[in-house]
Amino acid sequence: RKEVEQDPGPFNVPEGATVAFNCTYSNSASQSFFWYRQDCRKEPKLLMSVYSSGNEDGRFTAQLNRASQYISLLIRDSKLSDSATYLCVVRSTNDMRFGAGTRLTVKP
Amino acid sequence: DTEVTQTPKHLVMGMTNKKSLKCEQHMGHRAMYWYKQKAKKPPELMFVYSYEKLSINESVPSRFSPECPNSSLLNLHLHALQPEDSALYLCASSQRQAFMNTEAFFGQGTRLTVV
Repeated sequence: RKEVEQDPGPFNVPEGATVAFNCTYSNSASQSFFWYRQDCRKEPKLLMSVYSSGNEDGRFTAQLNRASQYISLLIRDSKLSDSATYLCVVRSTNDMRFGAGTRLTVKP
Repeated sequence: DTEVTQTPKHLVMGMTNKKSLKCEQHMGHRAMYWYKQKAKKPPELMFVYSYEKLSINESVPSRFSPECPNSSLLNLHLHALQPEDSALYLCASSQRQAFMNTEAFFGQGTRLTVV
C-alpha cells in the first residue's frame, strides 16, 4: 500500500465549476500536510498548507481529518489558470512524500 | 532569498559517464531532499539529508551517490546510469522538525537523459 493515496483523476471541468481532490495517508505519525501545484515541465510549488482546523485562501479550501487520515482540497469558481496537477504532500519527522497527483483541466 | 538552485538544468550523458547534479540553498534549511520524477508521475523520494547526515535512502541503486558537503549544498553523483534513469531530478529543502508546518521549496530540477 502506498503511503499517500490520491484520486487519480483526470478532472475535466468547465470554468466556474467546483472541484474537490482527496488524499489519504497511512502513516499516523505524519505531522504536516500540504497541497502543491505542478505545471507541465515545472517544479512543484506550494499551493497551501493544510491545518487541522481547515483553512481557506480565496477560492481554495483545504481540510484535514487526522482521525480518518484524510486531506482534501476544494477549488471553487475554477479558472482556466487552475489547470495543473495537484499533489498532496505529507511530511513526517524524516521524510516528505507525494500522492500520485490529480490532473485538472479547466475548459472554457 | 527563497530559492533552491539546481545545476545543470539539462544533462545528457552516456551510460559510461560520471556526472554530478548540484543543489544549493541559502535559507538555513537543515533538511534537503532528492526526488526523481518520471513523466506524468509524482516525485519519488530518493534521499533525505538531515543536518548534513543521510537519514533516508529509499533503496536507491548505488549508481546514484548523494553527498552533502555542507548545510547549503547537496550533490547527486551519477555513474554507469541506465536509459531508464532518464527523468527530472528535483532537489528540495525545508526547515527541520521544530517547524514542521513550513513549506518545502523545490529547485527547478535537472532534466537528465541517459543515452
